[in-house]
Amino acid sequence: DSGVTQTPKHLITATGQRVTLRCSPRSGDLSVYWYQQSLDQGLQFLIQYYNGEERAKGNILERFSAQQFPDLHSELNLSSLELGDSALYFCASSPQGNRGTEAFFGQGTRLTVV
Amino acid sequence: AQSVTQPDIHITVSEGASLELRCNYSYGATPYLFWYVQSPGQGLQLLLKYFSGDTLVQGIKGFEAEFKRSQSSFNLRKPSVHWSDAAEYFCAVGATGSSNTGKLIFGQGTTLQVKP
Repeated sequence: DSGVTQTPKHLITATGQRVTLRCSPRSGDLSVYWYQQSLDQGLQFLIQYYNGEERAKGNILERFSAQQFPDLHSELNLSSLELGDSALYFCASSPQGNRGTEAFFGQGTRLTVV
Repeated sequence: AQSVTQPDIHITVSEGASLELRCNYSYGATPYLFWYVQSPGQGLQLLLKYFSGDTLVQGIKGFEAEFKRSQSSFNLRKPSVHWSDAAEYFCAVGATGSSNTGKLIFGQGTTLQVKP
């Protein structure tokens, strides 16, 4: 158990809908990362927050947004869902958000868009 | 742009045999390198990491990796594979750039199958 909690574990929704994925980082970790894992794209970095502020942005679609709250949990919002958004979404956390820091991954949320 | 290449998509080894998973990265300076393992239905678990110093690093579960700057490689090895090692293995490099970020760039992964 990495100490990173993601909910829900599975999510099935229809095209055009909006969903929210939630992540609770390990106790004491200030930085949260979101990654998308799909068969065709592999593991892709989406976005990083550090202590409530956005630190880095990857290939995150405009339909997707995230935030980190004062209690350090994070949410990833996915809207106007398309079939191609079906993927495993991972959250990770680290004590600091610097280069080279070890990241601890949650078990992921499997999103299926039908 | 930085990239990580894992040339082998799928590898099958017999239980008890040795294992080497290949990883090549593109980056000019000394990179931060990681190996993660993903078991079915699980998240990613860090096996080992290299930042500097001794180029042979030891990790958990009996794994080791060797950093070779001249070959831009960071191959993962295990002398004797166990059936429980069957999983997907990811090599990753810490991203560089103007912001000091803990972002990781992952390879495409290598699926390891272990034959009894």
